[in-house]
Amino acid sequence: SQQGEEDPQALSIQEGENATMNCSYKTSINNLQWYRQNSGRGLVHLILIRSNEREKHSGRLRVTLDTSKKSSSLLITASRAADTASYFCATALNAGGTSYGKLTFGQGTILTVHP
Amino acid sequence: EAGVTQSPTHLIKTRGQQATLRCSPISGHTSVYWYQQALGLGLQFLLWYDEGEERNRGNFPPRFSGRQFPNYSSELNVNALELEDSALYLCASSHRRPVPDTQYFGPGTRLTVL
Repeated sequence: SQQGEEDPQALSIQEGENATMNCSYKTSINNLQWYRQNSGRGLVHLILIRSNEREKHSGRLRVTLDTSKKSSSLLITASRAADTASYFCATALNAGGTSYGKLTFGQGTILTVHP
Repeated sequence: EAGVTQSPTHLIKTRGQQATLRCSPISGHTSVYWYQQALGLGLQFLLWYDEGEERNRGNFPPRFSGRQFPNYSSELNVNALELEDSALYLCASSHRRPVPDTQYFGPGTRLTVL
């Protein structure tokens, strides 16, 4: 089963508005990453946040991580039509065991930004 | 710096045939990962290769296999294709670390099984 679950499944906003997507996971993690996917193509890495970090920024992106609630959020400020895509969170567990080396993805949030 | 490349872009096969998908990692990366993205099932981890060896595999039958070559490129083979193998297959690469760090993805190969 997927480690991460994302919410909402779909989000529709106007250009200039902010978009917030949430991700929850089940087990302790080493890091959590956010990726973007345009129209069923490859994934583009957006940001990585480690388990000992609470917040990271990259341009218009802000990611928070709450390990006590096992949740993360991705905020895109001042959205643009070009931000229309699917967004996925992915978790990496600590070394060892059957989860070694892999990322476990959530089901994704489909974001539509209307011009 | 060139990104992860995959070939072919699209592949159409019939049930029972074999498919071979190829991936070239970013220069300097020794780890290659394969993921399957099937409709309704999300992104599922398939295989991880590093330094020519299989380090981990996901919950897929043995007819999914692969290898990594000395130049760190990789091949994914799917034998005895079934209709449900139709999916986007994504390859990613990274530096080898104790815990997976950023994985950089290629554009994918769209496999259609008829």
